[in-house]
Amino acid sequence: KNEVEQSPQNLTAQEGEFITINCSYSVGISALHWLQQHPGGGIVSLFMLSSGKKKHGRLIATINIQEKHSSLHITASHPRDSAVYICAVPNYGGSQGNLIFGKGTKLSVKP
Amino acid sequence: NAGVTQTPKFQVLKTGQSMTLQCAQDMNHEYMSWYRQDPGMGLRLIHYSVGAGITDQGEVPNGYNVSRSTTEDFPLRLLSAAPSQTSVYFCASSTSGNTIYFGEGSWLTVV
Repeated sequence: KNEVEQSPQNLTAQEGEFITINCSYSVGISALHWLQQHPGGGIVSLFMLSSGKKKHGRLIATINIQEKHSSLHITASHPRDSAVYICAVPNYGGSQGNLIFGKGTKLSVKP
Repeated sequence: NAGVTQTPKFQVLKTGQSMTLQCAQDMNHEYMSWYRQDPGMGLRLIHYSVGAGITDQGEVPNGYNVSRSTTEDFPLRLLSAAPSQTSVYFCASSTSGNTIYFGEGSWLTVV
């Protein structure tokens, strides 16, 4: 079974700060997913990446396959970024339908 | 496209009752999954499917049943509800190597 560790569990930032959330996993994977869950519960996919780096607006995701580690960065954070950020990877030998999730990082951005 | 439609949004059951959570997607995705989310535990896989007629167990399958008779639908059945099944349930769908789409969630309370 793939094990997923996220850090930190909780993060409070001031508006405008640069945010980094980390995700480590134990077994080699084909792709890693970063998800965002807002208060109220809805979950949306932010990134799926298998190598290198992806950028979408103020969000940047990187992955190092050799080190089994991924980071999610938020530049110029804003209160609307307040949410829980979750990384997910396929279970060992599993498909994209069989994912293991980190426990999430709860981000609160203060104005 | 409606995306992933999950019903009901809220449900209260008595111990021992049965019910079905409905999940439908209109994106012709082959992968569909059911997850439950509990405080401090993160999302955990209950059952998943890699195509019509094919289902498999996830991490926490006991007390739940699924079937996948069509590509579009993936219902989750609670056979005899127990208080331990009080949780938030999410259905998700995707195709290989692509974005995962989640339903809005179903809040289930078993009393």
